[in-house]
Amino acid sequence: GVTQSPTHLIKTRGQQVTLRCSSQSGHNTVSWYQQALGQGPQFIFQYYREEENGRGNFPPRFSGLQFPNDSSELNVNALELDDSALYLCASTVDNNEQFFGPGTRLTVL
Amino acid sequence: KQEVTQIPAALSVPEGENLVLNCSFTDSAIYNLQWFRQDPGKGLTSLLLIQSSQREQTSGRLNASLDKSSGRSTLYIAASQPGDSATYLCAVRSGGGNKLTFGTGTQLKVEL
Repeated sequence: GVTQSPTHLIKTRGQQVTLRCSSQSGHNTVSWYQQALGQGPQFIFQYYREEENGRGNFPPRFSGLQFPNDSSELNVNALELDDSALYLCASTVDNNEQFFGPGTRLTVL
Repeated sequence: KQEVTQIPAALSVPEGENLVLNCSFTDSAIYNLQWFRQDPGKGLTSLLLIQSSQREQTSGRLNASLDKSSGRSTLYIAASQPGDSATYLCAVRSGGGNKLTFGTGTQLKVEL
């Protein structure tokens, strides 16, 4: 399955954070989503074969990497209070069913 | 711009009841639609995937239908159980890539 680390994270405004995801084996596409409390997940971006090939309405301080070993990262610079949310990664192959990880709960103080 | 709406926002039913959750989307040019379950503070569990060419999918007590032309999908849960209590989210894949557009979910509570 899809795994994410860490489970929870507390940062202060202005800091930088890196969240990690391990995709399901063989999946070549990973997507990241932000879910605020009481809302549906919002698409941040996706990576296909280590290149970004789609981005939602998020500023450039949200960036990512995808590695050949089924792992990926979401980096957020200059954290703001509104970045507090559950961050989810999802993996898929051949544009089919998407499988989500358990998420990382980020709190920005 | 694709928009997804789910009605009702919350639902409370007694155990054993059959129920229907609704999802509507504004752009009918979708590739597929997926229903998810989310427990409080947890990730998403995929329940059913319906491709745009399909009308319905079934898994156990769950049945999902898709009417692409009218922009609607329903999730039918038969003989509900307390363990079904969770938030149910529908999401559509449209446009390029694998981007999913989600509704805000229906929070279901099944009472003993």
